[in-house]
Amino acid sequence: EVQLVQSGAEVKKPGESLKISCKGSGYSFTSYWIGWVRQMPGKGLEWMGIIYPGDSDTRYSPSFQGQVTISADKSISTAYLQWSSLKASDTAMYYCARRRVTAGSYFDYWGQGTLVTVSS
Amino acid sequence: QSVLTQPPSVSGAPGQRVTISCTGVSSNIGAGYDVHWYQHLPGTAPKLLIYGNTNRPSGVPDRFSGSQSGTSASLAITGLQAEDEADYYCQSSDSSLSGVVFGGGTKLTVL
Repeated sequence: EVQLVQSGAEVKKPGESLKISCKGSGYSFTSYWIGWVRQMPGKGLEWMGIIYPGDSDTRYSPSFQGQVTISADKSISTAYLQWSSLKASDTAMYYCARRRVTAGSYFDYWGQGTLVTVSS
Repeated sequence: QSVLTQPPSVSGAPGQRVTISCTGVSSNIGAGYDVHWYQHLPGTAPKLLIYGNTNRPSGVPDRFSGSQSGTSASLAITGLQAEDEADYYCQSSDSSLSGVVFGGGTKLTVL
């Protein structure tokens, strides 16, 4: 069974750093891209970027380039999303998802989400 | 403002049929990129409903169907059930943005 399990909710202060994780199981982790998607409170889904764990090839949405860093450790089947200096506007639910490229590019399995709250 | 345009809300009575539109432009849907649909219940992970414009993953009821024409796509839900009440998002790719784009989401209310 394909599963993406994300790390737990985080409460941080502005300026702090953070790294959240997404662990894949039940499939070949190095053979599929993993994407990150943001949902701010009361808003829709926004694509942040994707990584191919096989070679760490990474692509970012122009809206998130330079704001976050996406990485992966294929030895433990885990992808990461990190911030070096959080802002209140980073408060959101963050989802990881496995990307498929048959019949277009879409996400077939999703993590349960990680709620990040940034508040002073 | 989202790259793909969806109506903010739609509603229907149990048993009825509703459609949700998704309008793009020449750099995404109009360029031939496939459209995919997700169902999202608050507090849960989004669920893939339709991929490649018209295909249903295993386990998705045939009450859900997708279509695409020109720069637009649609999701149709027939035989509405209370459990269908959720947010629905379309998604495609965009050549000018070099990546994935989502619609703004549509809240479906079952009356």
